Amino acid sequence: EDQVTQSPEALRLQEGESSSLNCSYTVSGLRGLFWYRQDPGKGPEFLFTLYSAGEEKEKERLKATLTKKESFLHITAPKPEDSATYLCAVRILHRDNYGQNFVFGPGTRLSVLP
Amino acid sequence: GAGVSQSPRYKVAKRGQDVALRCDPISGHVSLFWYQQALGQGPEFLTYFQNEAQLDKSGLPSDRFFAERPEGSVSTLKIQRTQQEDSAVYLCASSFPGQGPTSSYEQYFGPGTRLTVT
Repeated sequence: EDQVTQSPEALRLQEGESSSLNCSYTVSGLRGLFWYRQDPGKGPEFLFTLYSAGEEKEKERLKATLTKKESFLHITAPKPEDSATYLCAVRILHRDNYGQNFVFGPGTRLSVLP
Repeated sequence: GAGVSQSPRYKVAKRGQDVALRCDPISGHVSLFWYQQALGQGPEFLTYFQNEAQLDKSGLPSDRFFAERPEGSVSTLKIQRTQQEDSAVYLCASSFPGQGPTSSYEQYFGPGTRLTVT
């Protein structure tokens, strides 16, 4: 069964305290891993796409990396405005190459305290 | 340009009522997805359209759930005979996939419709 897990469930950091969020997956037919940020009462907002092991993407204080079984979202010197729920998702392509769906993890709730 | 919009933003239904949730995707986006998000959980896939064709409906929880996109743009998710377990936020997302194995498949989400069944 296709499965995506994230850890920790919740994380509290002091402003400037760097850390990493983990996304582990067990899927067949993986065609991309995605990171999203979700603020309360809003839809998820796209951050990164990773396709192959060893790939890295950066945006401001965030860097995403990918291995064969997991991905990390590194947050360097976070600020209070980085507080949100961070979701990872994997894209699964069906054998017929037409159907596809995305399996999301439960998310990590990040709080950055000033 | 406008993003993905959804209406209504909030819906309260009595158990047994039918509801219809609307999604207006970004103009020109080929793919459209519906998700169900329970409180404190990640979005759960319901169904996927490519233009007007519904290519995957494996996530629809029961035959009370029905989705359509007749002209390949606006989509409607209909839930018949609502039950309390249907209470959730329903998210719509659209994307414009490019060509090739590393094309970008990022999705643009709407704000969601919060459905409460009493």
